[in-house]
Amino acid sequence: GQNIDQPTEMTATEGAIVQINCTYQTSGFNGLFWYQQHAGEAPTFLSYNVLDGLEEKGRFSSFLSRSKGYSYLLLKELQMKDSASYLCAVRAPMDSSYKLIFGSGTRLLVRP
Amino acid sequence: DAGVIQSPRHEVTEMGQEVTLRCKPISGHDYLFWYRQTMMRGLELLIYFNNNVPIDDSGMPEDRFSAKMPNASFSTLKIQPSEPRDSAVYFCASSPPGLAGGSEQFFGPGTRLTVL
Repeated sequence: GQNIDQPTEMTATEGAIVQINCTYQTSGFNGLFWYQQHAGEAPTFLSYNVLDGLEEKGRFSSFLSRSKGYSYLLLKELQMKDSASYLCAVRAPMDSSYKLIFGSGTRLLVRP
Repeated sequence: DAGVIQSPRHEVTEMGQEVTLRCKPISGHDYLFWYRQTMMRGLELLIYFNNNVPIDDSGMPEDRFSAKMPNASFSTLKIQPSEPRDSAVYFCASSPPGLAGGSEQFFGPGTRLTVL
């Protein structure tokens, strides 16, 4: 089966650092994505990892360990606008193609 | 550049009525995806197309749902007859060619469907 786990909610303070974890168990793996979704809006792409290690993009970094089935999204210097849901998604190969399997998302609340 | 375009943005209908959702992907993208999002089930893939051909429709809930992509710039998702449990936000997304390199999906603004 396919299973992706993320915490449901997290709260952090403006200016701080927060780490959102994602663990996955899928039949096959071909990359892991993080998306940000503000309330009432569409998901937007944040990062992509296919090899182990850390990918840094400005205030956001994403880490992947394929052997552990684990990823995290690190948000630094938190801003109020970072309050949103963060979706972890695994691309799993299906026959000759692939599909994205999304976790339920982590709702992050940034407080002043 | 225009992003993924969806219409309508909001749809309220009565149980038993036919509902048609529309999507125009980003030009040059050859993958098109239909997702449904609810609080209970999160974001679920319903069906996706590659070069206008349906590749995986295993997420389509039942025969009441159908999707078509008659050309590279247009797709529809139809629900007939609609039921209250179909109430959700339906997203269309597209992505460019090049699976091996990894490619992000670009989501449209979504259609919020309410079936009374």
